[in-house]
Amino acid sequence: NAGVTQTPKFQVLKTGQSMTLQCAQDMNHNSMYWYRQDPGMGLRLIYYSASEGTTDKGEVPNGYNVSRLNKREFSLRLESAAPSQTSVYFCASSRGQLETQYFGPGTRLLVL
Amino acid sequence: DQQVKQNSPSLSVQEGRISILNCDYTNSMFDYFLWYKKYPAEGPTFLISISSIKDKNEDGRFTVFLNKSAKHLSLHIVPSQPGDSAVYFCAASGPETSYDKVIFGPGTSLSVIP
Repeated sequence: NAGVTQTPKFQVLKTGQSMTLQCAQDMNHNSMYWYRQDPGMGLRLIYYSASEGTTDKGEVPNGYNVSRLNKREFSLRLESAAPSQTSVYFCASSRGQLETQYFGPGTRLLVL
Repeated sequence: DQQVKQNSPSLSVQEGRISILNCDYTNSMFDYFLWYKKYPAEGPTFLISISSIKDKNEDGRFTVFLNKSAKHLSLHIVPSQPGDSAVYFCAASGPETSYDKVIFGPGTSLSVIP
């Protein structure tokens, strides 16, 4: 039982490049989330998916797109990376509202 | 403007003593609060939660207190242990923004000194 897994662990991009961060959970959770963590800012919600087939914007969605591929997988795409997107990205999942969110180990992204 | 504030970026406590981590929120519609703990290079893990119908919730060495009128909550760790050294995030949610939208504070880094 791996919980929430994220790939890659670390990535360096040049400004303007695109990439997709992958997230998968094996807990049969309905809800999945993408956060970014920046120094002094805590975790900020980028997008979430309350159930398979639905996605909604969080606090900081600009510059990102998401896909809930199936119940297990939720990907985050940066179409044209900017230095302001340098951050640590965390994926999380939960059974639903008011349920505990379980986080993956994070992806550290550096945009030059 | 941050809706969840943790005004102490760091805190040092002797092993065996009490650690008190504070959190303030501005949105009066928040009615569900959580604390998460994070070790370096790992994702946050859930610690304890409280809903606004209660003013205290206890789980072993961890107790969360909620003062709704002051829009303030605190996490007490008694006794503190070196393994408690981590970053602690306060978080809040409410029906207005859907309980899926959890707002996190900036975190407090706790060091427990042996």
